[in-house]
Amino acid sequence: AQRVTQPEKLLSVFKGAPVELKCNYSYSGSPELFWYVQYSRQRLQLLLRHISRESIKGFTADLNKGETSFHLKKPFAQEEDSAMYYCALCCWGSNYKLTFGKGTLLTVNP
Amino acid sequence: NAGVTQTPKFQVLKTGQSMTLQCAQDMNHNSMYWYRQDPGMGLRLIYYSASEGTTDKGEVPNGYNVSRLNKREFSLRLESAAPSQTSVYFCASSGGGVHTGELFFGEGSRLTVL
Repeated sequence: AQRVTQPEKLLSVFKGAPVELKCNYSYSGSPELFWYVQYSRQRLQLLLRHISRESIKGFTADLNKGETSFHLKKPFAQEEDSAMYYCALCCWGSNYKLTFGKGTLLTVNP
Repeated sequence: NAGVTQTPKFQVLKTGQSMTLQCAQDMNHNSMYWYRQDPGMGLRLIYYSASEGTTDKGEVPNGYNVSRLNKREFSLRLESAAPSQTSVYFCASSGGGVHTGELFFGEGSRLTVL
């Protein structure tokens, strides 16, 4: 079975501080990992995916297969980063099912 | 280009009533999904349709039925609503293939069952 764990329900940082949202996964095959974000009053949307290896809005995430982790990082948080963040796992052969973690609510304080 | 459109946005039901949530996408996507979002539980997959003509159960299918009416539309039906089905429901679609995992979401439908 595929599982995604986000250990922090809430995370609060000050503007300009580094931020790391943790995500661990469980899957026996080759995973594809994603971060989705939901800003207040907006639709849930894709932030980034590990195979793209890109930085979006200053966020990066590296897939660590040894630690089965896909933590989301940003060196200097901004107030507009405040949102709900979901880590998600998709796997070939699962009929395209995307499994989400429970989410982390990030608050960036001024 | 509206993307994924869900109706209604809000609904209040009494226990035992039935209703259908409608979802349509205009991106010619093969796969469509219904999720529910509950505080502290994240997003949980109810049903999905990998392609037109197929539907499969997700993590929490009990109490729900779905219909993939055509490539564009995927509806979710509650035959006899229960208070435990109070939630925010999201429809999503995906192009599949190399875009697998990249879901486009609707705005959500907030359902309250009294």
